Amino acid sequence: GAGVSQSPSNKVTEKGKDVELRCDPISGHTALYWYRQSLGQGLEFLIYFQGNSAPDKSGLPSDRFSAERTGGSVSTLTIQRTQQEDSAVYLCASSLTGVQPQHFGDGTRLSIL
Amino acid sequence: QKEVEQDPGPLSVPEGAIVSLNCTYSNSAFQYFMWYRQYSRKGPELLMYTYSSGNKEDGRFTAQVDKSSKYISLFIRDSQPSDSATYLCAMKRGNNAGKSTFGDGTTLTVKP
Repeated sequence: GAGVSQSPSNKVTEKGKDVELRCDPISGHTALYWYRQSLGQGLEFLIYFQGNSAPDKSGLPSDRFSAERTGGSVSTLTIQRTQQEDSAVYLCASSLTGVQPQHFGDGTRLSIL
Repeated sequence: QKEVEQDPGPLSVPEGAIVSLNCTYSNSAFQYFMWYRQYSRKGPELLMYTYSSGNKEDGRFTAQVDKSSKYISLFIRDSQPSDSATYLCAMKRGNNAGKSTFGDGTTLTVKP
């Protein structure tokens, strides 16, 4: 079966533009997560969805960041008015339930010029 | 202080060596423990998943959890050049779990 799919794989944009990152989780996985990984760093948690609800959005760094999940499946992470410090790899993961281990996509590499 | 500490390395070993990777943690609420392998420009790949204390073996990989010491380990036997990657430990709390907290990763190179 297909794994977690993320698009685009790479995104280069100018400072101040808005970007949308997409995640297609593994079919049947109720839990979905977004993480951010900066160069040479560990994974920084952003938000967790259970179904279409987000019981934990404590990792979103500012109100420029938002995410939604529709139909218990696809999720979109939106960054408004991008800044250079937003440059990172944005990783999406899904799991069968909230206690099961996460399976990751290969990420979107975001570069802000 | 970070909740999860992991020695960043880098760690370099000859092919065939036994590799030991370790993490310590401070939050006793962690109940689920994972190890991931991450190749360059790829997402983390789940290697091992354990619940609470004890050992779990899968092929050349053995995961150990010692909750009394707040210490987890991953052992790789008969290491291969293809094992060269960054290894990340991760932990989840109980109570519906949700997010994982990750170590910063250990970079391993296995030399032929």
